Amino acid sequence: AQSVTQLDSQVPVFEEAPVELRCNYSSSVSVYLFWYVQYPNQGLQLLLKYLSGSTLVKGINGFEAEFNKSQTSFHLRKPSVHISDTAEYFCAVMKDSNYKLTFGKGTLLTVNP
Amino acid sequence: GAVVSQHPSWVICKSGTSVKIECRSLDFQATTMFWYRQFPKQSLMLMATSNEGSKATYEQGVEKDKFLINHASLTLSTLTVTSAHPEDSSFYICSAPIFEGYEQYFGPGTRLTVT
Repeated sequence: AQSVTQLDSQVPVFEEAPVELRCNYSSSVSVYLFWYVQYPNQGLQLLLKYLSGSTLVKGINGFEAEFNKSQTSFHLRKPSVHISDTAEYFCAVMKDSNYKLTFGKGTLLTVNP
Repeated sequence: GAVVSQHPSWVICKSGTSVKIECRSLDFQATTMFWYRQFPKQSLMLMATSNEGSKATYEQGVEKDKFLINHASLTLSTLTVTSAHPEDSSFYICSAPIFEGYEQYFGPGTRLTVT
């Protein structure tokens, strides 16, 4: 069975600073990788995904992530964060193309002025 | 974009009673929906797959007689927590795949508190 580890439960940063949210996964087979964001009182929204091809994936709101197969990582980055990026971020994997997702525990990103 | 709604957003019930949670796809048809459960500070855990017109399939360790799922139409799936106990208190989230690019849309969740 696969598992997803988000190494940081909380990440506080100042506005306009860069940020990296870390995600590692374990799986013996190829997987699809996703990052979701959850704002208060809203459903999870897809930020970006890796299915195949280029290992650097660009998503919405200026976020990007890099798939590293050898390190089984899919870290999320943004070069300059805004107050509005404050939210919970979830990394997730899907195997077997069955749409079933295994999630990490989430990282709360707090952007301070 | 596609929207998935859940009702209620928050419910409190007494131990031993049953509570029904609705998940609706508002502008698309969903032949499949997923139900997740999230404990505080924990990840979302897949409970079951809801299939329109057929029985739901449950993940290992999930009691199908306790968590009844009905997917009677292409836009509505319901999760009924039967004979609820305090340990069933949790955040329940549904999602609906759109079968394009392996994406799916999530509802805002329902917080269940059993007293």
